[in-house]
Amino acid sequence: QVQLQESGPGLVKPSQTLSLTCTVSGDSIGSGEKYWTWIRQPPGKGLEWIGYIFYSDVAYYSPSLRGRVTISVDTSKSQFSLKLTSVTAADTAVYYCARGQNEGFQPWGQGTLVTVSS
Amino acid sequence: EIVLTQSPGTLSLSPGERATLSCRASQSVGSYLAWYQQKPGQAPRLLIHDAASRAPGIPARFSGSGSGTDFTLTISSLEAEDCAVYYCKYRSKWPPRVTFGQGTRLEIK
Repeated sequence: QVQLQESGPGLVKPSQTLSLTCTVSGDSIGSGEKYWTWIRQPPGKGLEWIGYIFYSDVAYYSPSLRGRVTISVDTSKSQFSLKLTSVTAADTAVYYCARGQNEGFQPWGQGTLVTVSS
Repeated sequence: EIVLTQSPGTLSLSPGERATLSCRASQSVGSYLAWYQQKPGQAPRLLIHDAASRAPGIPARFSGSGSGTDFTLTISSLEAEDCAVYYCKYRSKWPPRVTFGQGTRLEIK
């Protein structure tokens, strides 16, 4: 059974960098036609795609976040990571990681709430 | 940039009734549309991919239809557990981009 688990600080100060890691179990992160994605959801709002990465280390980002976001992959640890710089209160959200395939995003991690506040 | 518009914003129906949720794209997305269900306090889960194919483990009462710009998610006979927010989603392979609709909230009376 494929499982994904987000981890990282739940509180980040404004202007600092948000860093999260997603650990994948039950699947090989380094092969196949899969991609590894980050999505976020501000409290009470809808879903926003952040970006995704292939095991080859090629990544694509949402135009609205490009310039602040970096996604990387570590196949040896079966992890992929998110860094978002210069955060503001608008970046407060539940952050999800998910596996992407042609069919769609499945499964998802349980999500982790990151609050941006001083 | 493709925009997905879902309607209605909220739907309130009784158990056993039929639910019809709409997703309209600002330009053609072919059949590359997926539907997700998000129950309160949970991560979303994939229901339908490629407009009409049910994901593994999804009950047969969920069905999808449409192509081009107009898509529908139908729940044939509502159960209490179907109370959730439903999102449509399009993934463009080039330029690589993912767009979600704003969601439809389904309430079970």
